[in-house]
Amino acid sequence: DAEITQSPRHKITETGRQVTLACHQTWNHNNMFWYRQDLGHGLRLIHYSYGVQDTNKGEVSDGYSVSRSNTEDLPLTLESAASSQTSVYFCASSARTSGRGDTQYFGPGTRLTVL
Amino acid sequence: AQKVTQAQTEISVVEKEDVTLDCVYETRDTTYYLFWYKQPPSGELVFLIRRNSFDEQNEISGRYSWNFQKSTSSFNFTITASQVVDSAVYFCALSEAGGSNYKLTFGKGTLLTVNP
Repeated sequence: DAEITQSPRHKITETGRQVTLACHQTWNHNNMFWYRQDLGHGLRLIHYSYGVQDTNKGEVSDGYSVSRSNTEDLPLTLESAASSQTSVYFCASSARTSGRGDTQYFGPGTRLTVL
Repeated sequence: AQKVTQAQTEISVVEKEDVTLDCVYETRDTTYYLFWYKQPPSGELVFLIRRNSFDEQNEISGRYSWNFQKSTSSFNFTITASQVVDSAVYFCALSEAGGSNYKLTFGKGTLLTVNP
């Protein structure tokens, strides 16, 4: 069955370190997204991609970067981790078939703690 | 700019009660899509329903029903005869159809607790 996976599921790191969170989908979806979830803020978009070599900034992109070298993967990199980046991170993907209303399907999430 | 408001931060009910979760949205587009997602205590986000702006029919799926009213910009979600397994955070989301935008805007969620 097609799916979307994230790794690691839990990560503890130290301030200033570079961290990369992996996202892999086998839906063959063109669109991929990264969100962070924090209490009181809901889900906020970090970066997104509409295809290979395409990346775009979301509403909370400072301190994060992504690259899209193939359809299946969109890794999220924290260049220099900060305590404010402690959060739960979700990856999502959607097709591009029926226009802008395609459903996004989410990975299981990565809980990141920055000490 | 699009916006989704879930005014109810937390709701607590007793099992078998009916409960309605409110969602009010703002958009300038005439074509848009609305979604509901469920996040149980285990943490994953589960898609529940997608509705486009041209379809104002109410939807029923088992104990779940959705009431879409364009006149009040609302897309409310009702659980009939709630069960403990319905305890979760529920998110409403909006996607506009204009331009090259495939992004979702989420409300802040409503925490539903169903007590036995």
